[in-house]
Amino acid sequence: KAGVTQTPRYLIKTRGQQVTLSCSPISGHRSVSWYQQTPGQGLQFLFEYFSETQRNKGNFPGRFSGRQFSNSRSEMNVSTLELGDSALYLCASSQGLAGDQQETQYFGPGTRLLVL
Amino acid sequence: AQSVAQPEDQVNVAEGNPLTVKCTYSVSGNPYLFWYVQYPNRGLQFLLKYITGDNLVKGSYGFEAEFNKSQTSFHLKKPSALVSDSALYFCAVSSQTGANNLFFGTGTRLTVIP
Repeated sequence: KAGVTQTPRYLIKTRGQQVTLSCSPISGHRSVSWYQQTPGQGLQFLFEYFSETQRNKGNFPGRFSGRQFSNSRSEMNVSTLELGDSALYLCASSQGLAGDQQETQYFGPGTRLLVL
Repeated sequence: AQSVAQPEDQVNVAEGNPLTVKCTYSVSGNPYLFWYVQYPNRGLQFLLKYITGDNLVKGSYGFEAEFNKSQTSFHLKKPSALVSDSALYFCAVSSQTGANNLFFGTGTRLTVIP
């Protein structure tokens, strides 16, 4: 099976712009989670989508949003970019078994976003 | 609330020697614990997890981890380190109140010296 894929791999934007990142989960996986990785804050959970619905949300401002499509592919959007949004954005997928909090999440290679 | 602590930013070990990467956790309820490894410019690779059952969990690439409830620890171990094990290791805990929202430690950089 192909792994989790993320596009684009690298992105450069300027402050105030918006950006959309894409994630394709492992075939058959229905849950997609997003994480932000920065040197200062480490790995932080952004949100999780399951069956096109946001199931869980981390502590990020409303500028960060996401969605999931019927084929389980997911996008995340960051509006009004700030310098501090520069990070590696990681997507992870899991099967999405109902009520299962013990699933293993499999991560993609990430999208590195640089905000100038 | 849940949290994970990795007390060592850096661990150096000679090739062939046993390695240990430490992790302690705090979580209300039952902990679901994970170890991931990250190589440069790559995402996270799953190594192993503890859900329930045996305290010693075996994972990929010869790694294992021991769950210790009384010490709230989940240390990662390998009997004989390889140079290729050099990477960044993350311990994570899953919240009992939600699904698939991992809380990560700050990471430990392991360097295996030839």
